[in-house]
Amino acid sequence: GEDVEQSLFLSVREGDSSVINCTYTDSSSTYLYWYKQEPGAGLQLLTYIFSNMDMKQDQRLTVLLNKKDKHLSLRIADTQTGDSAIYFCAESRNSGYSTLTFGKGTMLLVSP
Amino acid sequence: EADIYQTPRYLVIGTGKKITLECSQTMGHDKMYWYQQDPGMELHLIHYSYGVNSTEKGDLSSESTVSRIRTEHFPLTLESARPSHTSQYLCASSEFSSAYVDEQFFGPGTRLTVL
Repeated sequence: GEDVEQSLFLSVREGDSSVINCTYTDSSSTYLYWYKQEPGAGLQLLTYIFSNMDMKQDQRLTVLLNKKDKHLSLRIADTQTGDSAIYFCAESRNSGYSTLTFGKGTMLLVSP
Repeated sequence: EADIYQTPRYLVIGTGKKITLECSQTMGHDKMYWYQQDPGMELHLIHYSYGVNSTEKGDLSSESTVSRIRTEHFPLTLESARPSHTSQYLCASSEFSSAYVDEQFFGPGTRLTVL
């Protein structure tokens, strides 16, 4: 079955770059996503990448996709304390009726 | 800002009570979802719907039930709450996209505690 794996915890200092990693097993994954959950809130889509792309950049966020190794990463440049949150990797297949498969989430803690 | 609402935000009830968690969205989305989130962060899909009169069970077996009589409303009901139902419940919605991108918009969640 489908499986999405993430490391559970990452701690960085303010101003450093953060890299959150994710691996997935479903070779038919079409879109891969990064969602962010702040304390006491629901999830919010940060960015997504189509499976035929290698990289996508959006301001401080860079997503890298290695389709051969089924590895996805999210790099946050100049990490701020406001970036402290849980980050979920997710994947979906090429169908409007596909549901998202989420990883277990990585808690990012940014210290001043 | 996502227009998806959940009530109540917090609920503490006794074992055996019947409860309904409300979820409404004003975006006209056809697809709606209920997730259960562990204290350890993991999300489990428990129910989803593709539109009015459509309901499906998710990956995690749940004793709850859902209904979808109106596009904007997707309530979740527990007939007899138990301590094992204590969790955070997140509702989400998304639209059908010709590009198959599934951007789900999440409500703020209901934190349920069953004593």
